[in-house]
Amino acid sequence: DARVTQTPRHKVTEMGQEVTMRCQPILGHNTVFWYRQTMMQGLELLAYFRNRAPLDDSGMPKDRFSAEMPDATLATLKIQPSEPRDSAVYFCASERTGASYEQYFGPGTRLTVT
Amino acid sequence: TQLLEQSPQFLSIQEGENLTVYCNSSSVFSSLQWYRQEPGEGPVLLVTVVTGGEVKKLKRLTFQFGDARKDSSLHITAAQPGDTGLYLCAGVSRTDSWGKFQFGAGTQVVVTP
Repeated sequence: DARVTQTPRHKVTEMGQEVTMRCQPILGHNTVFWYRQTMMQGLELLAYFRNRAPLDDSGMPKDRFSAEMPDATLATLKIQPSEPRDSAVYFCASERTGASYEQYFGPGTRLTVT
Repeated sequence: TQLLEQSPQFLSIQEGENLTVYCNSSSVFSSLQWYRQEPGEGPVLLVTVVTGGEVKKLKRLTFQFGDARKDSSLHITAAQPGDTGLYLCAGVSRTDSWGKFQFGAGTQVVVTP
């Protein structure tokens, strides 16, 4: 049963530290999304890639967040420096282009910045 | 500002009762989806609707897309405790060329035995 995997599942860090979250999309899926979920804002799209190229990262604070896809099996989201307001659950999702927008979500990384 | 408004925000019912949750917008969508999310997990896609007036059924769940493609509803018949979760709707705006989904804030459904 193919699934999106994310690591780490939980991360607690101090303000100012760098945080890196990783995602392995489902094999054969060429579109990858990064979302952030909080109680206040709900699920927000941060960035997404198609065939490893960034298509839209307008939802992401550019001064501290960066997203990359070094290869087709790995997507990363980095926060440097982290701030308490970055505390949230970060989800990665992947989609096979042409599959009627069927996104498959990973289990998320719960980030707490103290 | 949420492009998609979901109501109610919270719903608590007894097992066996029916429930309906709503997803409304002033925008026209080319595609709309419903997800269910359980604690500690990512959202799981339940259905995609693309045609105005479309009705889809998934066991005890009935999904309807409004004729104008601006709203949708999810009806659960004879709810069971396993239906407990956060129900999210997500839509791709008709004017969005990239196929980017925007999510509503969700309806938390609790079904008690």
